[in-house]
Amino acid sequence: GDSVTQMEGPVTLSEEAFLTINCTYTATGYPSLFWYVQYPGEGLQLLLKATKADDKGSNKGFEATYRKETTSFHLEKGSVQVSDSAVYFCALIIRNFGNEKLTFGTGTRLTIIP
Amino acid sequence: EAGVTQFPSHSVIEKGQTVTLRCDPISGHDNLYWYRRVMGKEIKFLLHFVKESKQDESGMPNNRFLAERTGGTYSTLKVQPAELEDSGVYFCASSQDIPGTYFIYEQYFGPGTRLTVT
Repeated sequence: GDSVTQMEGPVTLSEEAFLTINCTYTATGYPSLFWYVQYPGEGLQLLLKATKADDKGSNKGFEATYRKETTSFHLEKGSVQVSDSAVYFCALIIRNFGNEKLTFGTGTRLTIIP
Repeated sequence: EAGVTQFPSHSVIEKGQTVTLRCDPISGHDNLYWYRRVMGKEIKFLLHFVKESKQDESGMPNNRFLAERTGGTYSTLKVQPAELEDSGVYFCASSQDIPGTYFIYEQYFGPGTRLTVT
């Protein structure tokens, strides 16, 4: 079946450090890929997405590139802030008319210290 | 515009009791989804409504779980009787997806209901 594997947390970084959270996937079809973020006390929010190979999703300084050859969608940010502290989830959808479920990874808790 | 809301935010019940979770999707969203995150593991799909019909319930763990969406608006998820392994965070999401198209619409998530079964 379809699955998403992301790096184990928790991850603790100093403010302004470079961030990478690894995500790889296995899929029976051609997936669309997503990063969701959950800030403390809030629901999941879509951070960015990519729908085909070599697409780059970006938002709030975060980027991820859809790499079909390595089945990866790693999340990066050049300079993290304390406000980026949250849990990050990598996810995919296989478009199959009527079947729209998201398949998630386990989540990576990120803590940024001043 | 109001987002997806869920009630209660937290529920603590004893094993064997019944709990009903409620989700109010974004107005006008025909698609409603339930997901669950257990013990810090991955978020897993439970089921998908299109309006009042169950489109996909392949993720429902067993017949102790019953989901309804009367009138195609809000949805309830009942767990009866609750077991210890049902503890976790239950998320609801909605989208305006139009079936039959290749465009994938964003699923908007609620804050979740944290269920603790003791």
